[in-house]
Amino acid sequence: GESVGLHLPTLSVQEGDNSIINCAYSNSASDYFIWYKQESGKGPQFIIDIRSNMDKRQGQRVTVLLNKTVKHLSLQIAATQPGDSAVYFCAENIENTGFQKLVFGTGTRLLVSP
Amino acid sequence: EAQVTQNPRYLITVTGKKLTVTCSQNMNHEYMSWYRQDPGLGLRQIYYSMNVEVTDKGDVPEGYKVSRKEKRNFPLILESPSPNQTSLYFCASTYLQLANTGELFFGEGSRLTVL
Repeated sequence: GESVGLHLPTLSVQEGDNSIINCAYSNSASDYFIWYKQESGKGPQFIIDIRSNMDKRQGQRVTVLLNKTVKHLSLQIAATQPGDSAVYFCAENIENTGFQKLVFGTGTRLLVSP
Repeated sequence: EAQVTQNPRYLITVTGKKLTVTCSQNMNHEYMSWYRQDPGLGLRQIYYSMNVEVTDKGDVPEGYKVSRKEKRNFPLILESPSPNQTSLYFCASTYLQLANTGELFFGEGSRLTVL
């Protein structure tokens, strides 16, 4: 399948553990953030987003936390499953510039062992 | 099934031989875009289109062309490929109503190698 890259930071967890994937962003004007999941051989898939007027947003088994003070974003996955194994990357945007101005990070590989 | 379809999925070609990577979506999306993905660099936008006959450059348009003659199709054209265009290419689409979100729908990628 298609690979994103050979030298991505990797997080290895056991099935059932909680996973935390981190992302640092550099543009203090960014006010909208997205997490994508990319499984081997597939295109990126939207997971969850958060706007800068929030510091936490929850989805199904996933939570995104935003700390604007230190320009840090994290994705928490509860009760991680083997199917969660993938590359996860964040993207940032500036409000009202549309999705064509998304800036994507390079990603973190999550490996889930049964 | 709602999807974004790219062809070919894999291609090895030689420098200077024109090629086209096709992209088709069946979701009636107005917006379509091409990205390339390289190790250590993340996804970088090549070109995008807000609707039929409306296209604009992304961050790395050099060496590429696009056209949007129909709503569903957005081919990426490499007139004279060079080895630095060896990459993994993704087509993506979405509705214009999602303009303030990043909810893009991606194809499965096209791995291009230029020798």
